[in-house]
Amino acid sequence: GDSVTQMEGPVTLSEEAFLTINCTYTATGYPSLFWYVQYPGEGLQLLLKATKADDKGSNKGFEATYRKETTSFHLEKGSVQVSDSAVYFCALGKNDYKLSFGAGTTVTVRA
Amino acid sequence: GAGVSQSPSNKVTEKGKDVELRCDPISGHTALYWYRQRLGQGLEFLIYFQGNSAPDKSGLPSDRFSAERTGESVSTLTIQRTQQEDSAVYLCASSLPKGPDDEQYFGPGTRLTVT
Repeated sequence: GDSVTQMEGPVTLSEEAFLTINCTYTATGYPSLFWYVQYPGEGLQLLLKATKADDKGSNKGFEATYRKETTSFHLEKGSVQVSDSAVYFCALGKNDYKLSFGAGTTVTVRA
Repeated sequence: GAGVSQSPSNKVTEKGKDVELRCDPISGHTALYWYRQRLGQGLEFLIYFQGNSAPDKSGLPSDRFSAERTGESVSTLTIQRTQQEDSAVYLCASSLPKGPDDEQYFGPGTRLTVT
């Protein structure tokens, strides 16, 4: 079945460091890909998405490119802030509407 | 506007008891989803509603789990004869049903602990 594998955490960084969280997927057909974020004490919220190959999703300085050839959707940010500390989830969705999530990566950014 | 709300936020119950978890979706969202998140794991899909019908119940882990929805509003997830392995955070989400690319808006979750 469809599945998502993402980099295990926790990840600890200093402010202004470069962040990459790897995500690869297994799916039949052409899924849409998502990154969701959960800030401390808050619910999950959509960070960015890409609906077809070579699309780039971006938001709040984060980017991820849908790479069909490597079945990947890695999340990147060039200069992280303390406020980026959160749990990040990679997910895929298809025509059946349900989302398949990775296990989540906890990121802590230190001042 | 108001987001997805869930109640209770925390529930501690004894093994063997029944529990009901409630979800209030965003007004106008006809699609509603339940997920389960066990400690250190990703979200597992449980069930999907379109209106008050459930075209996909494939994720319900056993016949102890059931869910219903009243029209395009409140949904309840019921777990009968709870077991310790049911301990998890139960998340509800809602969306507009235009297609699989639409954002799912999540509630804060109900943390269930079975002792």
